[in-house]
Amino acid sequence: QVTLRESGPALVKPTQTLTLTCTFSGFSLTTTGMCVTWIRQPPGKALEWLALIDWDDDKFYSTSLKTRLTISRDTSKNQVALSMTNMDSVDTATYYCARARTVVKHSMGFDTWGQGTMVTVSS
Amino acid sequence: SYELTQPPSVSVSPGQTARITCSGDSLPKQYSYWYQQKPGQAPVLVIYKDTARPSGIPERFSGSSSGTTVTLTISGVQAEDEADYYCQSADSSGTWVFGGGTKLTVL
Repeated sequence: QVTLRESGPALVKPTQTLTLTCTFSGFSLTTTGMCVTWIRQPPGKALEWLALIDWDDDKFYSTSLKTRLTISRDTSKNQVALSMTNMDSVDTATYYCARARTVVKHSMGFDTWGQGTMVTVSS
Repeated sequence: SYELTQPPSVSVSPGQTARITCSGDSLPKQYSYWYQQKPGQAPVLVIYKDTARPSGIPERFSGSSSGTTVTLTISGVQAEDEADYYCQSADSSGTWVFGGGTKLTVL
């Protein structure tokens, strides 16, 4: 059974750096085709894709946020971390991590999601 | 990156067919994906690679593609299908994008 769980601070101050951790089970990020990705959703608004890391440790970032984001993995702990610098009130959102699989160079979509973690940016 | 455009809302009576569209310039070249999100819950993948349905997703959910528009069709809509639906696609560089979402109301 594949599960993912997000963890991190519920409240951060403006200009601070947010670091979130996604702890997963039921698959290995070193298996060919496996990826973990981060998505966020401001209250009442649409989903926004943030970043993805794959089985080869390749990293992909949202064009609009790439200067602020860093995604990394710890395969020994089955964890993926996302850091976002210079947090602002507009970054207040629920942050999700999800598993994505690639089969024969084509994605199978984000097939399993964590429950999400709400992050509020406020002084 | 590019944009995916969805109608903000679609309404349908129970038992009827709901069609939710998603438009984007890269859709002829890239696969599309659809997610269902109910209030307070994480999204659930309902269609991948334009037309494929994950295991456990009811057969009334189907996807199609024509040019720059993809469509999620829900046949025989049930009250439990009321949710927000998001389309998604990627560009050739591995960057993903979601549409703005469509709220499906079951009258």
